[in-house]
Amino acid sequence: DQQVKQNSPSLSVQEGRISILNCDYTNSMFDYFLWYKKYPAEGPTFLISISSIKDKNEDGRFTVFLNKSAKHLSLHIVPSQPGDSAVYFCAASARNTPLVFGKGTRLSVIA
Amino acid sequence: DSGVTQTPKHLITATGQRVTLRCSPRSGDLSVYWYQQSLDQGLQFLIQYYNGEERAKGNILERFSAQQFPDLHSELNLSSLELGDSALYFCASSLGGHLNYGYTFGSGTRLTVV
Repeated sequence: DQQVKQNSPSLSVQEGRISILNCDYTNSMFDYFLWYKKYPAEGPTFLISISSIKDKNEDGRFTVFLNKSAKHLSLHIVPSQPGDSAVYFCAASARNTPLVFGKGTRLSVIA
Repeated sequence: DSGVTQTPKHLITATGQRVTLRCSPRSGDLSVYWYQQSLDQGLQFLIQYYNGEERAKGNILERFSAQQFPDLHSELNLSSLELGDSALYFCASSLGGHLNYGYTFGSGTRLTVV
């Protein structure tokens, strides 16, 4: 039973355009959500997070949106750069329990 | 360098064998988490230790065990290995408090069982 789902295994975007990565969850107890970025041969690195009391959090080119009623969050990257090409994981936690991860979306930013 | 050190980086072993993966957390972090990433799968949570004690358990097989030592480093022991245990094993650490900055991950140990 997958509690965190990333239904798009891959996404291709042109440099300078917006990248939108989506994530759905099923557990209504989740109260904290995070996005991680992973390059080959490296561990995942923290990108941005959002608490369930907010609906938006912004950090430079990265913005995460949370729609609790739809149990959906998305990561927007604007503008996309070739260095953003990586696998992006969505993760969630319920009351500080260990993070539950999705399967990831591979983003390719084409120059 | 994330500050979380995992050794070895690569491990090739035969079915039925036993291996030990090691993790040194980032300085000051009290929690250690172990995750498994199999082919086409997300990161599956195995087990968490906090300041030497087991805090949470996920989908960890009975053939697998872990511990956290007084110096806070952790070891994941995998025994009676099967082909399906081939995966990337990640260790992560955190201070143990709020998730504002998430976990810090090591670069992983790639285990291949032949």
